[in-house]
Amino acid sequence: QKEVEQDPGPLSVPEGAIVSLNCTYSNSAFQYFMWYRQYSRKGPELLMYTYSSGNKEDGRFTAQVDKSSKYISLFIRDSQPSDSATYLCAMSAGRGSTLGRLYFGRGTQLTVWP
Amino acid sequence: DAGVIQSPRHEVTEMGQEVTLRCKPISGHNSLFWYRQTMMRGLELLIYFNNNVPIDDSGMPEDRFSAKMPNASFSTLKIQPSEPRDSAVYFCASSLTGRDGYTFGSGTRLTVV
Repeated sequence: QKEVEQDPGPLSVPEGAIVSLNCTYSNSAFQYFMWYRQYSRKGPELLMYTYSSGNKEDGRFTAQVDKSSKYISLFIRDSQPSDSATYLCAMSAGRGSTLGRLYFGRGTQLTVWP
Repeated sequence: DAGVIQSPRHEVTEMGQEVTLRCKPISGHNSLFWYRQTMMRGLELLIYFNNNVPIDDSGMPEDRFSAKMPNASFSTLKIQPSEPRDSAVYFCASSLTGRDGYTFGSGTRLTVV
């Protein structure tokens, strides 16, 4: 079993829809949770970052972490065609003040059509 | 800040040839990571360095792969000899303490024919 599981999609939604992206994980030591966005032929870029359980909101994006269920989510409200990209979840146990190794999901390919 | 700089952006080489990928991390970052991305396997960590010292190279597929970080501003990933199955996009990433995640370069798209 991989450390991090993520449905690769593809996911296709109309503009304005609410998008839900999810990952599950097996390592209960994970404490740092991130979402990266990767446009075609580009490197991943950090989108959201959360520590431990709870919610974090940034504009149209909300990240949720449920450590009891080992489940994280990213919600995109009022989705736009410019949100079309691959979204990768990532997580780490961290060691002291360092993040250490990040474990990535496979990524979910999202298309938002006008 | 120019970000993480990788070169070359594209590399096409014949099987058996040596390939060297280069990375310049963000100034001041103390951790550097090499990843490989394919459709089938997603992002795979090959090796990472902390303060120029290799910490975990368990992801390096075989002895044909080697990586060095001679100083804080430069790292190389070498494949010798290259094989068609090495074709992938290779990313370099760097971070400071890691609390803010990694910053990725634009990648090197390697094709071995």
